[in-house]
Amino acid sequence: AQKVTQAQTEISVVEKEDVTLDCVYETRDTTYYLFWYKQPPSGELVFLIRRNSFDEQNEISGRYSWNFQKSTSSFNFTITASQVVDSAVYFCALSEAGSGGSNYKLTFGKGTLLTVNP
Amino acid sequence: DAMVIQNPRYQVTQFGKPVTLSCSQTLNHNVMYWYQQKSSQAPKLLFHYYDKDFNNEADTPDNFQSRRPNTSFCFLDIRSPGLGDTAMYLCATSRAPWLGTEAFFGQGTRLTVV
Repeated sequence: AQKVTQAQTEISVVEKEDVTLDCVYETRDTTYYLFWYKQPPSGELVFLIRRNSFDEQNEISGRYSWNFQKSTSSFNFTITASQVVDSAVYFCALSEAGSGGSNYKLTFGKGTLLTVNP
Repeated sequence: DAMVIQNPRYQVTQFGKPVTLSCSQTLNHNVMYWYQQKSSQAPKLLFHYYDKDFNNEADTPDNFQSRRPNTSFCFLDIRSPGLGDTAMYLCATSRAPWLGTEAFFGQGTRLTVV
């Protein structure tokens, strides 16, 4: 069974601080996909990044960076020089490339509420 | 332009009164999902469609039903809403989730059962 754990329920930082959101996953599949989504107060889940299990290369996109480590089953997300607009709930999610209905399912962690204060 | 549209954005319904939430997409994706998200919790998958093939999660209550009359539209029917069904309901689509394509979400319907 697939499982995603985001141990940090809430994080509060001051603007311009760097912040890392942790994500640990469990899966029995050798092929799987990891995602990060952002949910602002408006409610819509916004896709940020996808990684497949064969691509451990870290990625940077502007102030966002992601660190994928299969050895520790982690897919952490760092925001550099945080801004007030980054305030949102961030979800890590996992889907497996298994057979049947399981490969359609996206399992979410419980999310981390990030508050960036001015 | 919005690609996954949910209506209404807000819905208040009485305990036990049937309610229908709608979702439409302009992406022509084969897979459509309904998620339930209660306050401060992760989205929980209720069911999904691959084309017209319906797949129910094992723990989705029978009170929740869905219809997908065509590729573009999908409906969530709650036959007899209880107070515990108060939640945000999120519709999503994906082109090829077995290949890891991302899901596109609508803005959600905030349902309150009174």
